[in-house]
Amino acid sequence: GAGVSQSPSNKVTEKGKDVELRCDPISGHTALYWYRQSLGQGLEFLIYFQGNSAPDKSGLPSDRFSAERTGGSVSTLTIQRTQQEDSAVYLCASSSHSRTQYFGPGTRLTVL
Amino acid sequence: AQKVTQAQTEISVVEKEDVTLDCVYETRDTTYYLFWYKQPPSGELVFLIRRNSFDEQNEISGRYSWNFQKSTSSFNFTITASQVVDSAVYFCALSDPNAGGTSYGKLTFGQGTILTVHP
Repeated sequence: GAGVSQSPSNKVTEKGKDVELRCDPISGHTALYWYRQSLGQGLEFLIYFQGNSAPDKSGLPSDRFSAERTGGSVSTLTIQRTQQEDSAVYLCASSSHSRTQYFGPGTRLTVL
Repeated sequence: AQKVTQAQTEISVVEKEDVTLDCVYETRDTTYYLFWYKQPPSGELVFLIRRNSFDEQNEISGRYSWNFQKSTSSFNFTITASQVVDSAVYFCALSDPNAGGTSYGKLTFGQGTILTVHP
């Protein structure tokens, strides 16, 4: 079946602009996660959704970051007023009751 | 707080050699899951194996095997008869039980081990 998909695959933006990153989880997966991978920080957890609610937002680095999930499916991660330190690969993962998280290909964000 | 340590930053082997990737973890939880993921040059994280904290039976799956020892908080991963296609970054990860629901929460990852298999 189809895996986790993310769009866009690459995003180049100017400092101060807002960006939206999209994640389509595996059909039927109730849990959805966002992570960030950067050279200096490795793989960092950002936020976790169970259905449409987010029990754990502890990894969001600042109030410029927000995320939502609608219909228990698609999720959007929004970064407002982007900064150069936001440049990273943003990874989305989903899981069912098996607890195993399956990852998408990621969105590479570059802030100029 | 949870922590995962992969002490080996880089490993280089010649094809057909066996290679073991080390992982040590810290957690206060009594129930948790451990994972190994592979990230080839294409960039996508690929799930390899999962182990429950209450099941210390070690297993072999094809060329992969893992050694989980709760007493030493280690979860090592071995590739037998390595191949060039095994070249990738390997991540060990620990799950964080989600107190409120039936699914587990975030993964805490180690820093990764870069494995290079030379022909």
